[in-house]
Parts: sequence; structure tokens; C-alpha cells
Amino acid sequence: DAGVTQSPTHLIKTRGQQVTLRCSPKSGHDTVSWYQQALGQGPQFIFQYYEEEERQRGNFPDRFSGHQFPNYSSELNVNALLLGDSALYLCASSLGGLNEKLFFGSGTQLSVL
Amino acid sequence: EDQVTQSPEALRLQEGESSSLNCSYTVSGLRGLFWYRQDPGKGPEFLFTLYSAGEEKEKERLKATLTKKESFLHITAPKPEDSATYLCAALISGAGSYQLTFGKGTKLSVIP
Repeated sequence: DAGVTQSPTHLIKTRGQQVTLRCSPKSGHDTVSWYQQALGQGPQFIFQYYEEEERQRGNFPDRFSGHQFPNYSSELNVNALLLGDSALYLCASSLGGLNEKLFFGSGTQLSVL
Repeated sequence: EDQVTQSPEALRLQEGESSSLNCSYTVSGLRGLFWYRQDPGKGPEFLFTLYSAGEEKEKERLKATLTKKESFLHITAPKPEDSATYLCAALISGAGSYQLTFGKGTKLSVIP
């Protein structure tokens, strides 16, 4: 049973660039949520996708956007990168648009120089 | 403002030395309290969900409890493989949405 997979595992970008991160949910799950985890902090909710629509959003600027595809996989896009965007980006999957019992991937470590 | 606070930030235990981790919350509309374990370089791994005050859940050497203001994760006779960061998160409802708010975590080190 494949768990949540994320790519790439590591990424280095410079300020002002754009980045796309990818996530495939756990088999059987249809909901994908994205979290940002800065060093020494807990994960912070960015947004959630269910039925190919953004259903909920945390306190993140419009530079953060996403997409969900018909096969339930998802992308996170960040435009105009800032140094403060350096973090571990986690994807979590669940069922039915709910936030119960999330299954997390191992994350993408983004470094902005 | 909804807040989830974990203490201590770090805890070192000798193998077999039992202890508790604390998660206090000040939130409106609590729908559930979650505990996760996170190993270095990995995503959080689900441990427990608690829904109402007085509820308890157990798994191997771990037991989670919930009151109206806080949750405890009790670790009995820990082993080195229990070393990890333990995160708690509150599922909060509001304006038709449900969001998880995480604490900063407690980094547990169990020394052989």
C-alpha cells in the first residue's frame, strides 16, 4: 500500500523564483492538505484540496497556490520566493474532505538563497 | 486567538524513566485533539485522536489523556526507539471549516 509520496525531496531556489512541489496521496484517499514547517516549529496549514477545489485556506498570501488533479494528486506553487519561505513543505492526505487522521509524506525541503 | 502550547520543549529521559508531555490549548470550537510523532527528516505519524474530556487512548508504552484545557502524553518505561518529536494538534471548527493547529512539539531523547 503506497503511502503519501512527495517530490522532489530537496530543492534550492533563489529569491524571486517560482517553485512547484508535487504530492500523490495515499491509495484510496481523495483529499490533500499542504503544510509548511519551519525549523523548530510545528506544521502550519496552507490549504486543502478536495474534489479538485480549494476548500480551506490558512493564513498564507496569494503567492501560495495549488491544484488538484482528477487522480487526486496535487501541486503546491509558490511565486516570488522569499528567504522566509525556506521550510519543510508537507503534504497530507485524508478521506472525504475531512482533517481526521491525516497521513503525511516525508516532505520537500525548500531552501531559498 | 487559537493557541496550542506544548511543554517542555525538550526532554531527556533515561531508558525506563517514565514521564509526561503536556499540550495545553485555548481554542474555540475544539473538534478533536491529535497526537503525532515526527522522526528527523520525516513527516508526522498519527498516534491518537481524543474527542472529549476524560477520554484516554493507549498504544504500547504511550497513553494520551484529555481534559477541558490540556492533553497529556504519558510515556511508560520508554526505550531509545521512542526518541522523536511529539506534536499535538487541535482540530478547530469555525465558519464552516475545520483546521488543524499544531503546537511546536516536544523533542524527546531516551538515553540507553
